[in-house]
Amino acid sequence: AQSVTQPDIHITVSEGASLELRCNYSYGATPYLFWYVQSPGQGLQLLLKYFSGDTLVQGIKGFEAEFKRSQSSFNLRKPSVHWSDAAEYFCAVGAVDYKLSFGAGTTVTVRA
Amino acid sequence: GAVVSQHPSRVICKSGTSVKIECRSLDFQATTMFWYRQFPKQSLMLMATSNEGSKATYEQGVEKDKFLINHASLTLSTLTVTSAHPEDSSFYICSARRPNSYNEQFFGPGTRLTVL
Repeated sequence: AQSVTQPDIHITVSEGASLELRCNYSYGATPYLFWYVQSPGQGLQLLLKYFSGDTLVQGIKGFEAEFKRSQSSFNLRKPSVHWSDAAEYFCAVGAVDYKLSFGAGTTVTVRA
Repeated sequence: GAVVSQHPSRVICKSGTSVKIECRSLDFQATTMFWYRQFPKQSLMLMATSNEGSKATYEQGVEKDKFLINHASLTLSTLTVTSAHPEDSSFYICSARRPNSYNEQFFGPGTRLTVL
């Protein structure tokens, strides 16, 4: 079965600084990988996804992620954080049965 | 495109009553819909997979008689929490899979259920 680990429960970053969120996955085959963002009391919004091809994936809101098979990682990055980026971020891996397994999430706080 | 709605967004009910939550894919036909439960400050836990025209598949530990799922059409799935109790209070989120979209799921805005 697939699984996802997000090692960082909470990250605080200054506005304008760079952000990197870590994600490690476990899956026997080529994974389908996703990053979602959730604002308080809201559903999930897809930031970006990786299925195949270029291992550096560009997403919405200036986010990007890099798939590294050798490290089983799919880390999310943003060069310059805005106050509106404060939210909960979830990494997820999809399997052939279309189910998604989510990581525990990382809470991002942005300080002025 | 790929919009999923949920109704209601919030519901408060008395213990022992049943509550129905609707999940609709507004601009595509969803052969598969998923229901998740999310506790405060926690991740999403998959409850069940709902396929149009067939019985839902429940994850281990989820009571199928308590959480009734109906997927009567390609754009609508419903989750009914029967005989709700305070421990059923949670945030319920549905998602829909668009055919030929690999594993990508489109999520609804969620429903906050509070059982008094």
